[in-house]
Amino acid sequence: GAGVSQSPSNKVTEKGKDVELRCDPISGHTALYWYRQSLGQGLEFLIYFQGNSAPDKSGLPSDRFSAERTGGSVSTLTIQRTQQEDSAVYLCASALTGGETQYFGPGTRLLVL
Amino acid sequence: QKEVEQNSGPLSVPEGAIASLNCTYSDRGSQSFFWYRQYSGKSPELIMSIYSNGDKEDGRFTAQLNKASQYVSLLIRDSQPSDSATYLCAVRGGGSNYKLTFGKGTLLTVNP
Repeated sequence: GAGVSQSPSNKVTEKGKDVELRCDPISGHTALYWYRQSLGQGLEFLIYFQGNSAPDKSGLPSDRFSAERTGGSVSTLTIQRTQQEDSAVYLCASALTGGETQYFGPGTRLLVL
Repeated sequence: QKEVEQNSGPLSVPEGAIASLNCTYSDRGSQSFFWYRQYSGKSPELIMSIYSNGDKEDGRFTAQLNKASQYVSLLIRDSQPSDSATYLCAVRGGGSNYKLTFGKGTLLTVNP
């Protein structure tokens, strides 16, 4: 079946602009995670959605970052007033439920000029 | 802060040898442990998970867990050039804390 998909695959933006990154999880997966991978760094947890529960936002680095998940499926990560340090690969993962194996999408490469 | 530590490498082994990758973690309450493989420019791919002390074998891969020492390792037998990648150790905490904490990864190069 189809895996996790993300769009766009690449995004170049100017400092100060807002960006939206999209994640389509595997059908039927109730858990969805966003991670960030900066050059030379490990994956950094950002936010976790599980069904209709309140999301775990503990990894969001600043209030410029927000995410939503509509209808328990597609998720959008929004970064407002982008900064150069936001440049990274943003990875989405989904799981059948919390605690199950996480499957990663191909990522969105964000470059802030 | 919960931490996961890995040697960054690069670890270089000849084809056919055993590659040994190591990982330590700081959160003693951690319950689940994972090894992901990440090829350059690609997303992480799960290759092994382990939940209890001891060894778990899957083909050429063996994961070893020692919770008392807060240590998890991955052995790759009969290493192949196609195993050349970055290997990420990931740890999940206990209870309903489902997020993964990743190490920075170890770059493995298998030389033909």
